[in-house]
Amino acid sequence: KQEVTQIPAALSVPEGENLVLNCSFTDSAIYNLQWFRQDPGKGLTSLLLIQSSQREQTSGRLNASLDKSSGRSTLYIAASQPGDSATYLCAVREGGSEKLVFGKGMKLTVNP
Amino acid sequence: NAGVTQTPKFQVLKTGQSMTLQCAQDMNHEYMSWYRQDPGMGLRLIHYSVGAGITDQGEVPNGYNVSRSTTEDFPLRLLSAAPSQTSVYFCASSYSSRVYTEAFFGQGTRLTVV
Repeated sequence: KQEVTQIPAALSVPEGENLVLNCSFTDSAIYNLQWFRQDPGKGLTSLLLIQSSQREQTSGRLNASLDKSSGRSTLYIAASQPGDSATYLCAVREGGSEKLVFGKGMKLTVNP
Repeated sequence: NAGVTQTPKFQVLKTGQSMTLQCAQDMNHEYMSWYRQDPGMGLRLIHYSVGAGITDQGEVPNGYNVSRSTTEDFPLRLLSAAPSQTSVYFCASSYSSRVYTEAFFGQGTRLTVV
């Protein structure tokens, strides 16, 4: 059974720091991996999608990498801002099934 | 472009009542799914559909029914609500379940069963 883990569960940093958020998964047979952002009381907003054949994707200050063989992905946030405060979730699309399996998320607080 | 629309946003039910959570998407997506989000449990898949007329169970299907009569709509029915079904429910869609597909989520339905 695919399991997705995000450690730590919470992180508090001062504004301006460069951040690395980690995501690990147990089964490397995936179609893709997606990073989401969730603000309190809101839905999930897609940040980046990495296909299984790709190594990384970039959008603005965000960069996500994927190492499928080791079952790891990282989300890099450059020059963090208070507006980046949210819960970040990663999810993998299992190969051979139709399912998106989520980690439990990491709550990020960026302090001014 | 509305994306994925869920209604209602909030609902309070009494134990034993039934209701339907609505989900509609306007992106002509084949794949639709329902998740529930609970503190400490993350998002768990309830039911999913790979196209009109095709549905299947996810991780936590008990107490819920779905049907998919059109590409656009994927309602979730609670047959007899229980306090354990108090949760936030999210509907998601994607063009396909395969490669190159990004999942889009609705804003959620907050359900309280008393």
